[in-house]
Amino acid sequence: EVQLVESGGDLVQPGGSLRLSCAASGFTFSTYWMSWVRQAPGKGLDWVANIKQDGSEKYYVDSVKGRFTISRDNAKNSLYLQMNSLRDEDTAVYYCARPNRAQSRHSFDIWGQGTMVTVSS
Amino acid sequence: DIQMTQSPSCLSSSVGDRVTITCRASQSISTYLNWYQQRPGKAPKLLIYAASSLQSEVPSRFSGSGSGTEFTLTISSLQAEDFATYYCQQSYNTPPIFGQGTRLEIK
Repeated sequence: EVQLVESGGDLVQPGGSLRLSCAASGFTFSTYWMSWVRQAPGKGLDWVANIKQDGSEKYYVDSVKGRFTISRDNAKNSLYLQMNSLRDEDTAVYYCARPNRAQSRHSFDIWGQGTMVTVSS
Repeated sequence: DIQMTQSPSCLSSSVGDRVTITCRASQSISTYLNWYQQRPGKAPKLLIYAASSLQSEVPSRFSGSGSGTEFTLTISSLQAEDFATYYCQQSYNTPPIFGQGTRLEIK
């Protein structure tokens, strides 16, 4: 079964750090771009970042540039999101997502169950 | 960034109704447009990609059309399980912006 499982969400104080993980299974992880997408409580979907198959290209939404770092370990079939200098507005469910074709970037057919990040003092 | 605007924001309909949701892009995105369904507490589900291609295992009552800046998602005959929130998303460039969502409610 093709599956993505996120972990690492937690309650953290403003200015704090957190590292999210996403474990992939059931497909050849190393052949896909991978993304993080978040959803604030009661709000819509916001793409956060993505990373090329070999990790050589990474892109971020402006609001997280310089604070978040996306990475991957193809040997472990895992995707990561290091989040530093967290702000209240980063509070959201964070999903990892896979596109529907290896040559695609942004049409996401596989999603994890999400992990909740709460930034609050 | 390309902006995506959905209308309406909320829609009340009955089982068996035909429903259309519209999505407009702030610039031409050819057919790089996807539609997702999200039920409460669940991850989004891809319904339509490339504006009109039906994702595997998605019922044929869902269809998409459009190109350039105007797109539509149509549900031909609403079923109970279709009451959810629907999002369009452009996949033309980075960042892949989502529309604000259309909440489909039971009348």
